[in-house]
Amino acid sequence: QKEVEQNSGPLSVPEGAIASLNCTYSDRGSQSFFWYRQYSGKSPELIMFIYSNGDKEDGRFTAQLNKASQYVSLLIRDSQPSDSATYLCAVTGGNTGFQKLVFGTGTRLLVSP
Amino acid sequence: DAGVTQSPTHLIKTRGQQVTLRCSPKSGHDTVSWYQQALGQGPQFIFQYYEEEERQRGNFPDRFSGHQFPNYSSELNVNALLLGDSALYLCASRRVRGVGMNTEAFFGQGTRLTVV
Repeated sequence: QKEVEQNSGPLSVPEGAIASLNCTYSDRGSQSFFWYRQYSGKSPELIMFIYSNGDKEDGRFTAQLNKASQYVSLLIRDSQPSDSATYLCAVTGGNTGFQKLVFGTGTRLLVSP
Repeated sequence: DAGVTQSPTHLIKTRGQQVTLRCSPKSGHDTVSWYQQALGQGPQFIFQYYEEEERQRGNFPDRFSGHQFPNYSSELNVNALLLGDSALYLCASRRVRGVGMNTEAFFGQGTRLTVV
């Protein structure tokens, strides 16, 4: 079983729709959760992080965390063609110290005009 | 405020050669981590440096080594290059020193290494 699992996609949504990206993780000790966006040929860009159960909203983005189910998701409202990218889910064992990021393989999102 | 910077951006090497990649962390950051990202995969953790010491290491052979300098910049060295070392090498920095001063990791633009 992979430590962090994501559906590779592609996930196709029309412009203006809500895109829902999902991620599961195997280590129950994981405490910090991150979503990175990566355009083709570019480096990952941090867009959201969440530490506590529940929802965290930032503009068009909402991260949702359910530690009991070991599940974290990212919702993108009013999707735009510029949101088309690969979205990487990453987890760490804590929010302090020398915690490595463990990444999933990413979900490719395609937003059509 | 400069973000994380890496050099070079692209590099082509021959099997068996050695390569050195460089990273300057974001201003105010003191910890540097290196990741390898193969095509179609998520980044894989190589190692992390803090206070000029390797603090944690991923599942990479000893051919991969690193260094951190007093100004927090870092180098990644790979010896005896293999074709499978071809990848995007990413440097990430964060700040871990001080109570309540932990920050999220930010990535540089990466170095695309091609081994032929």
